Amino acid sequence: GEDVEQSLFLSVREGDSSVINCTYTDSSSTYLYWYKQEPGAGLQLLTYIFSNMDMKQDQRLTVLLNKKDKHLSLRIADTQTGDSAIYFCAITGGGNKLTFGTGTQLKVEL
Amino acid sequence: ETGVTQTPRHLVMGMTNKKSLKCEQHLGHNAMYWYKQSAKKPLELMFVYNFKEQTENNSVPSRFSPECPNSSHLFLHLHTLQPEDSALYLCASSRPESIEQFFGPGTRLTVL
Repeated sequence: GEDVEQSLFLSVREGDSSVINCTYTDSSSTYLYWYKQEPGAGLQLLTYIFSNMDMKQDQRLTVLLNKKDKHLSLRIADTQTGDSAIYFCAITGGGNKLTFGTGTQLKVEL
Repeated sequence: ETGVTQTPRHLVMGMTNKKSLKCEQHLGHNAMYWYKQSAKKPLELMFVYNFKEQTENNSVPSRFSPECPNSSHLFLHLHTLQPEDSALYLCASSRPESIEQFFGPGTRLTVL
């Protein structure tokens, strides 16, 4: 089956850029997502990228997709303390079945 | 307010108890999902319902029994659970075939 991997932790200083990485095994993935989970809350869709795109930018967020290496990244520019959360990478090959990674805990330090 | 609510938010139960988790969505969606979130593990899809019909059972033990009486409500009935079932159980909903799922805040379950 599909496998999605992420590192568990990332710590950055406020104002720096954060880069959260994700690798996956299913090359037929159609959509690739980044979800954010704040403490005590469910997951919230941050952004997504279609598999025929290499990059998508949305304000402070930049998503990069390297299909050859099956690598997805999320860059958060000017990281703020409010960005502290768990970030989940997820993929789907179609339909409504998502495969998630373990999540990366982002800690933003002052 | 995400439009997806879950009750209770926290639940502690013994291994011989029977309890139920409830999920309700106010978004007019027709697909609903149960996920299990354990520490340091990928979010696990448990069940998918489309138009009240179960379309996915991800090899979930029978001690977890889902019920979807209508498109707005989803239940997860629990009985004779094990301590390793302790986790955050998340409900989500979407339009079928939509790229976005909307999540509830979850029920934190502890099995003693």
